[in-house]
Amino acid sequence: QVQLQESGPGLVKPSQTLSLTCTVSRASISSGNYYWSWIRQHPGKGLEWIGYIYYSGSTYYNPSLKSRVLISVDTSKNQFSLKMISVTAADTAVYYCARADDDTSGSFYFASWGQGTLVTVSS
Amino acid sequence: DIQMTQSPSSLSASVGDRVTITCRASQGINNYLAWFQQKPGKAPKSLIYAASSLQSGVPSKFSGSGSGTDFTLTISSLQPEDFATYYCQQYNSFPYTFGQGTKLEI
Repeated sequence: QVQLQESGPGLVKPSQTLSLTCTVSRASISSGNYYWSWIRQHPGKGLEWIGYIYYSGSTYYNPSLKSRVLISVDTSKNQFSLKMISVTAADTAVYYCARADDDTSGSFYFASWGQGTLVTVSS
Repeated sequence: DIQMTQSPSSLSASVGDRVTITCRASQGINNYLAWFQQKPGKAPKSLIYAASSLQSGVPSKFSGSGSGTDFTLTISSLQPEDFATYYCQQYNSFPYTFGQGTKLEI
Protein backbone atom coordinates (compact mmCIF):
# COMPACT_ATOMS: atom_id res chain seq x y z
CA GLN A 1 0.00 0.00 0.00
CA VAL A 2 1.65 3.22 -1.16
CA GLN A 3 2.18 5.91 1.45
CA LEU A 4 2.51 9.62 0.75
CA GLN A 5 3.66 12.25 3.22
CA GLU A 6 3.64 16.00 2.66
CA SER A 7 6.24 18.23 4.28
CA GLY A 8 7.12 21.90 4.24
CA PRO A 9 6.56 25.19 6.05
CA GLY A 10 3.17 25.69 7.60
CA LEU A 11 3.42 29.47 7.39
CA VAL A 12 4.38 31.51 4.33
CA LYS A 13 4.42 35.29 4.01
CA PRO A 14 2.37 37.00 1.31
CA SER A 15 4.20 37.44 -2.02
CA GLN A 16 6.67 34.70 -1.11
CA THR A 17 6.98 31.17 -2.48
CA LEU A 18 5.18 28.15 -1.07
CA SER A 19 7.30 24.99 -1.28
CA LEU A 20 6.08 21.51 -0.39
CA THR A 21 7.52 18.06 -0.86
CA CYS A 22 5.74 14.73 -1.01
CA THR A 23 7.75 11.69 0.02
CA VAL A 24 6.53 8.42 -1.42
CA SER A 25 7.10 5.10 0.32
CA ARG A 26 6.15 1.51 -0.48
CA ALA A 27 6.11 2.41 -4.17
CA SER A 28 8.59 3.75 -6.70
CA ILE A 29 7.86 6.96 -8.58
CA SER A 30 10.02 5.59 -11.40
CA SER A 31 7.85 2.53 -11.91
CA GLY A 32 5.55 4.42 -14.25
CA ASN A 33 1.80 3.89 -14.66
CA TYR A 34 1.00 6.66 -12.18
CA TYR A 35 0.71 10.41 -12.07
CA TRP A 36 1.85 12.21 -8.93
CA SER A 37 -0.55 14.94 -7.95
CA TRP A 38 -1.15 18.00 -5.83
CA ILE A 39 -4.66 18.95 -4.66
CA ARG A 40 -5.69 21.61 -2.19
CA GLN A 41 -8.67 22.33 0.02
CA HIS A 42 -9.44 25.80 1.31
CA PRO A 43 -10.61 25.80 4.95
CA GLY A 44 -14.13 24.44 5.14
CA LYS A 45 -14.38 24.33 1.37
CA GLY A 46 -14.19 21.91 -1.53
CA LEU A 47 -11.25 20.39 -3.38
CA GLU A 48 -9.16 21.97 -6.14
CA TRP A 49 -6.79 20.06 -8.41
CA ILE A 50 -3.47 21.89 -8.80
CA GLY A 51 -1.64 19.61 -11.21
CA TYR A 52 0.30 16.41 -11.61
CA ILE A 53 3.54 15.01 -12.96
CA TYR A 54 4.68 11.77 -14.54
CA TYR A 55 8.00 10.25 -13.49
CA SER A 56 9.50 11.37 -16.81
CA GLY A 57 8.76 14.98 -15.91
CA SER A 58 5.66 15.57 -18.05
CA THR A 59 3.32 17.92 -16.23
CA TYR A 60 -0.30 19.03 -16.42
CA TYR A 61 -1.54 22.04 -14.49
CA ASN A 62 -4.84 23.65 -13.64
CA PRO A 63 -4.94 26.71 -15.93
CA SER A 64 -6.19 28.84 -13.04
CA LEU A 65 -2.88 28.27 -11.23
CA LYS A 66 -0.50 27.44 -14.06
CA SER A 67 1.26 30.81 -14.13
CA ARG A 68 2.30 30.46 -10.47
CA VAL A 69 2.92 26.75 -10.05
CA LEU A 70 5.77 24.35 -10.74
CA ILE A 71 5.64 20.63 -9.98
CA SER A 72 8.88 18.68 -10.17
CA VAL A 73 10.03 15.15 -9.44
CA ASP A 74 13.20 13.73 -7.89
CA THR A 75 13.24 10.03 -8.64
CA SER A 76 16.49 9.51 -6.72
CA LYS A 77 14.76 10.58 -3.52
CA ASN A 78 11.37 9.14 -4.49
CA GLN A 79 9.84 12.57 -3.97
CA PHE A 80 7.90 15.15 -5.91
CA SER A 81 7.46 18.80 -5.09
CA LEU A 82 5.20 21.79 -5.46
CA LYS A 83 6.30 25.40 -5.74
CA MET A 84 3.79 28.21 -5.87
CA ILE A 85 5.03 31.77 -6.30
CA SER A 86 3.51 35.09 -5.26
CA VAL A 87 1.16 33.59 -2.71
CA THR A 88 -1.68 35.50 -1.09
CA ALA A 89 -4.11 34.77 1.71
CA ALA A 90 -6.29 33.06 -0.89
CA ASP A 91 -3.69 30.30 -1.11
CA THR A 92 -4.23 29.35 2.53
CA ALA A 93 -5.38 25.75 2.35
CA VAL A 94 -4.65 22.16 3.23
CA TYR A 95 -2.39 20.79 0.51
CA TYR A 96 -2.59 17.10 -0.34
CA CYS A 97 -0.32 15.01 -2.46
CA ALA A 98 -1.90 12.03 -4.15
CA ARG A 99 -1.15 9.22 -6.56
CA ALA A 100 -3.32 8.99 -9.64
CA ASP A 101 -3.80 5.44 -10.89
CA ASP A 102 -4.83 4.19 -14.32
CA ASP A 103 -8.47 3.13 -14.21
CA THR A 104 -7.55 0.53 -16.90
CA SER A 105 -8.70 2.81 -19.73
CA GLY A 106 -5.62 5.02 -19.72
CA SER A 107 -7.32 7.70 -17.64
CA PHE A 108 -6.14 8.48 -14.15
CA TYR A 109 -8.01 8.94 -10.89
CA PHE A 110 -6.80 9.87 -7.40
CA ALA A 111 -6.49 6.50 -5.72
CA SER A 112 -4.18 7.25 -2.77
CA TRP A 113 -3.74 10.42 -0.76
CA GLY A 114 -1.32 11.83 1.79
CA GLN A 115 -2.67 13.09 5.09
CA GLY A 116 -2.42 16.72 4.00
CA THR A 117 -0.59 19.72 5.39
CA LEU A 118 -2.06 23.09 6.29
CA VAL A 119 -0.29 26.06 4.76
CA THR A 120 -1.26 29.49 6.06
CA VAL A 121 -0.31 32.61 4.13
CA SER A 122 0.06 35.46 6.57
CA SER A 123 2.52 38.15 7.54
CA ASP B 1 -14.05 23.93 -17.06
CA ILE B 2 -16.55 21.17 -16.38
CA GLN B 3 -18.79 22.03 -13.45
CA MET B 4 -19.77 19.20 -11.11
CA THR B 5 -22.96 19.73 -9.12
CA GLN B 6 -23.91 17.43 -6.28
CA SER B 7 -27.30 17.08 -4.69
CA PRO B 8 -28.27 17.34 -2.02
CA SER B 9 -25.63 19.50 -0.31
CA SER B 10 -26.53 17.88 2.98
CA LEU B 11 -28.51 14.84 3.91
CA SER B 12 -29.81 13.51 7.20
CA ALA B 13 -30.21 9.77 7.59
CA SER B 14 -30.32 7.07 10.22
CA VAL B 15 -28.23 4.00 10.91
CA GLY B 16 -29.46 1.22 8.66
CA ASP B 17 -30.80 3.55 5.96
CA ARG B 18 -29.94 3.43 2.27
CA VAL B 19 -29.05 6.77 0.71
CA THR B 20 -28.31 8.05 -2.78
CA ILE B 21 -26.23 11.09 -3.72
CA THR B 22 -26.41 12.57 -7.19
CA CYS B 23 -23.66 14.23 -9.22
CA ARG B 24 -24.29 16.05 -12.48
CA ALA B 25 -21.62 17.22 -14.92
CA SER B 26 -22.06 20.36 -17.01
CA GLN B 27 -21.05 18.35 -20.07
CA GLY B 28 -20.57 14.71 -20.90
CA ILE B 29 -17.67 12.99 -19.15
CA ASN B 30 -18.19 9.43 -20.37
CA ASN B 31 -17.66 7.33 -17.23
CA TYR B 32 -14.60 9.20 -15.95
CA LEU B 33 -16.12 9.86 -12.56
CA ALA B 34 -14.74 9.13 -9.11
CA TRP B 35 -16.29 9.31 -5.65
CA PHE B 36 -14.47 10.11 -2.40
CA GLN B 37 -15.34 10.02 1.29
CA GLN B 38 -13.85 12.60 3.64
CA LYS B 39 -14.08 12.65 7.41
CA PRO B 40 -13.27 15.76 9.47
CA GLY B 41 -9.55 16.46 9.61
CA LYS B 42 -8.73 13.57 7.29
CA ALA B 43 -7.74 13.20 3.66
CA PRO B 44 -10.31 12.12 1.10
CA LYS B 45 -10.52 8.39 0.54
CA SER B 46 -11.20 6.85 -2.85
CA LEU B 47 -14.42 4.82 -2.99
CA ILE B 48 -15.40 4.47 -6.65
CA TYR B 49 -13.66 5.10 -9.97
CA ALA B 50 -14.82 4.81 -13.56
CA ALA B 51 -18.31 5.63 -12.26
CA SER B 52 -19.01 2.14 -10.95
CA SER B 53 -15.74 0.35 -10.11
CA LEU B 54 -15.16 -0.26 -6.43
CA GLN B 55 -11.76 0.77 -5.07
CA SER B 56 -9.87 -2.15 -3.58
CA GLY B 57 -10.69 -2.58 0.09
CA VAL B 58 -13.90 -0.56 -0.02
CA PRO B 59 -16.97 -2.46 1.20
CA SER B 60 -19.60 -3.42 -1.34
CA LYS B 61 -22.20 -1.34 0.49
CA PHE B 62 -20.89 1.49 -1.68
CA SER B 63 -21.98 1.44 -5.31
CA GLY B 64 -21.85 3.88 -8.17
CA SER B 65 -23.68 4.20 -11.45
CA GLY B 66 -24.16 6.53 -14.37
CA SER B 67 -22.54 7.70 -17.57
CA GLY B 68 -22.46 10.88 -19.59
CA THR B 69 -23.65 13.67 -17.30
CA ASP B 70 -25.63 12.01 -14.50
CA PHE B 71 -24.16 9.82 -11.78
CA THR B 72 -25.17 8.42 -8.42
CA LEU B 73 -23.46 7.07 -5.34
CA THR B 74 -25.54 4.73 -3.22
CA ILE B 75 -24.65 3.66 0.30
CA SER B 76 -26.64 0.84 1.79
CA SER B 77 -27.15 -0.09 5.43
CA LEU B 78 -25.60 3.07 6.85
CA GLN B 79 -23.29 2.61 9.81
CA PRO B 80 -21.96 5.31 12.14
CA GLU B 81 -18.60 5.35 10.34
CA ASP B 82 -20.31 6.25 7.03
CA PHE B 83 -21.36 9.68 8.22
CA ALA B 84 -18.96 11.95 6.37
CA THR B 85 -18.74 14.30 3.39
CA TYR B 86 -18.79 12.77 -0.08
CA TYR B 87 -17.31 14.31 -3.22
CA CYS B 88 -17.57 13.43 -6.88
CA GLN B 89 -14.80 14.32 -9.32
CA GLN B 90 -14.46 14.18 -13.09
CA TYR B 91 -11.25 13.11 -14.75
CA ASN B 92 -12.48 13.23 -18.33
CA SER B 93 -10.74 16.48 -19.17
CA PHE B 94 -8.42 19.09 -17.71
CA PRO B 95 -8.74 20.75 -15.35
CA TYR B 96 -10.03 17.95 -13.18
CA THR B 97 -12.89 19.29 -11.07
CA PHE B 98 -14.76 18.23 -7.95
CA GLY B 99 -18.33 18.61 -6.81
CA GLN B 100 -19.00 20.87 -3.84
CA GLY B 101 -19.60 17.93 -1.52
CA THR B 102 -22.55 16.28 0.20
CA LYS B 103 -22.48 16.15 3.98
CA LEU B 104 -24.16 13.03 5.29
CA GLU B 105 -25.34 13.55 8.85
CA ILE B 106 -27.03 11.41 11.41
